[in-house]
Amino acid sequence: KAGVTQTPRYLIKTRGQQVTLSCSPISGHRSVSWYQQTPGQGLQFLFEYFSETQRNKGNFPGRFSGRQFSNSRSEMNVSTLELGDSALYLCASSLRLAGEETQYFGPGTRLLVL
Amino acid sequence: AQKITQTQPGMFVQEKEAVTLDCTYDTSDPSYGLFWYKQPSSGEMIFLIYQGSYDQQNATEGRYSLNFQKARKSANLVISASQLGDSAMYFCAMRERTGGYNKLIFGAGTRLAVHP
Repeated sequence: KAGVTQTPRYLIKTRGQQVTLSCSPISGHRSVSWYQQTPGQGLQFLFEYFSETQRNKGNFPGRFSGRQFSNSRSEMNVSTLELGDSALYLCASSLRLAGEETQYFGPGTRLLVL
Repeated sequence: AQKITQTQPGMFVQEKEAVTLDCTYDTSDPSYGLFWYKQPSSGEMIFLIYQGSYDQQNATEGRYSLNFQKARKSANLVISASQLGDSAMYFCAMRERTGGYNKLIFGAGTRLAVHP
């Protein structure tokens, strides 16, 4: 089975621009979560989508948004980029089995904001 | 608030030896899940092992085992017979269940270096 895929893998943007990141989950997985990883703050939860609905949201400003499509693919959008948005953005998908869900991560998108 | 603490910023081990990476957690939820992930320099988070709070036995997956001490709120990862390819960052994470569904809370990580 193919793993979680994320595109693009690397991205360079300038302050004030917006960016859209894409995530394709493992086939059959309906839950997609997004995380931001920075050297200063570590790994932080952004949001989770399930069946096209945002099910949970982390403590990030409204500039960070996302959506999920009917095929479970998800996109994350960051508007009005700031230097501090430079990070590795990780997407994870999961499937509930025996009452537990394990998140499987993609390779990430490295975003650099200049 | 739920919290994960990894007190070892860096560890090194000789190839073929065993190593223990520490993880303590704090939660008031009686039902929770604990995970360990490996992150090589490429950036991808690789799932290693899972322990449920109600599991009676310690989880094992190949060379990985989880030393779960519920009363002490610790979930240490033991890697046996270390290999050069084990050099990476290792993250302990807890799944927040109360309204949290799939939200994982991560520790700061431990960088493991395996020496030949």
